[in-house]
Amino acid sequence: KNEVEQSPQNLTAQEGEFITINCSYSVGISALHWLQQHPGGGIVSLFMLSSGKKKHGRLIATINIQEKHSSLHITASHPRDSAVYICAVRPHFNFGNEKLTFGTGTRLTIIP
Amino acid sequence: SAVISQKPSRDICQRGTSLTIQCQVDSQVTMMFWYRQQPGQSLTLIATANQGSEATYESGFVIDKFPISRPNLTFSTLTVSNMSPEDSSIYLCSVEDTGTSGSKYNEQFFGPGTRLTVL
Repeated sequence: KNEVEQSPQNLTAQEGEFITINCSYSVGISALHWLQQHPGGGIVSLFMLSSGKKKHGRLIATINIQEKHSSLHITASHPRDSAVYICAVRPHFNFGNEKLTFGTGTRLTIIP
Repeated sequence: SAVISQKPSRDICQRGTSLTIQCQVDSQVTMMFWYRQQPGQSLTLIATANQGSEATYESGFVIDKFPISRPNLTFSTLTVSNMSPEDSSIYLCSVEDTGTSGSKYNEQFFGPGTRLTVL
């Protein structure tokens, strides 16, 4: 069983819809990352969270450490948001060893 | 935050040949990593590139197949040797650096990736 589980695996929505992508993990962590991978393969770091909530533009990321769960929300979705969104965690026992554990990603497609 | 560039962005190679991928960072960073992402899969860490010493390889990856250089704090190369079609993947360079979040934890940044196809 993967230590990091994402849902859904694939998501198709109409432009303007509110999007939620979920990430659950099974180990204690020091930080959680949300990454965006474009079709060309490059990866952009969206958020790094260790508690609470962060907002950047139309993107909002939340984390509940007790429940070992994080969500990424996109408001007023746009076709340019179409990408693969990847959740990655830095387990506590790796702190100082700096190794991320990755989810398998959620492929988001926004239809105009 | 660190800005990373990789060369080449993509390549198509013949079986049995080798390809060297370059990673350049716009600032000095201590931790540099090389990842592989096979088609439809998540990222897998190949090795940590250490400046001035040999790279630290993860289980399943060996230096003879993936030699790595790290001559300074802003540059690294990964070579994929004696390639086979199974090596067709996206190869990503990544660094750890202080981000803009104000967190006590360093952020991790990724390059644009090198898409390799082996025929």
